[in-house]
Amino acid sequence: KAGVTQTPRYLIKTRGQQVTLSCSPISGHRSVSWYQQTPGQGLQFLFEYFSETQRNKGNFPGRFSGRQFSNSRSEMNVSTLELGDSALYLCASSLSTLYEQYFGPGTRLTVT
Amino acid sequence: GQQVMQIPQYQHVQEGEDFTTYCNSSTTLSNIQWYKQRPGGHPVFLIQLVKSGEVKKQKRLTFQFGEAKKNSSLHITATQTTDVGTYFCAGLSLHSVTGGGNKLTFGTGTQLKVEL
Repeated sequence: KAGVTQTPRYLIKTRGQQVTLSCSPISGHRSVSWYQQTPGQGLQFLFEYFSETQRNKGNFPGRFSGRQFSNSRSEMNVSTLELGDSALYLCASSLSTLYEQYFGPGTRLTVT
Repeated sequence: GQQVMQIPQYQHVQEGEDFTTYCNSSTTLSNIQWYKQRPGGHPVFLIQLVKSGEVKKQKRLTFQFGEAKKNSSLHITATQTTDVGTYFCAGLSLHSVTGGGNKLTFGTGTQLKVEL
């Protein structure tokens, strides 16, 4: 089976812009979760989608949003980018909600 | 909110020595998951423990889940250079415990370096 794929792999944006990241889960996985990884804060859970519905949410501001499509592919959007949003954004898929997460390679976002 | 503490933060060992990382949660967990992230890579799922007191082994790796389901450990016997990376635990707390949605909280990770 093909693994989780994320696009783009690298992104440079300017403060105030918005960005959309994409994630394609492992075939058959209906749960997609998003994480932010930074050296200072570690791995932090953003939110999880299951069957096109947001099931669980972490403690991030409303500037971070997401959606899931009927084919389980997911997108994450960050509006009004701040310097502190620079991070590795990881997507993970699983068969069941928040169990055995299979991570993609991540999108490295740099905000200047 | 739920916190998952992991110690130590760093560990340097000589090849062949043993290594242990510990994970402690502020709340009772539904399950605990362990991941390994190589430098420059992404987290890779290692194992999931669900039952109180559960012990699972994968070759040189031994995983334990505490009786109270609030702590866990990963022990590596006779480390090798291929064990280098950061090991994360992740605790799943259900809605009934957190008062909100289900939460998967990652520990801060233990960075393992193995020297020849």
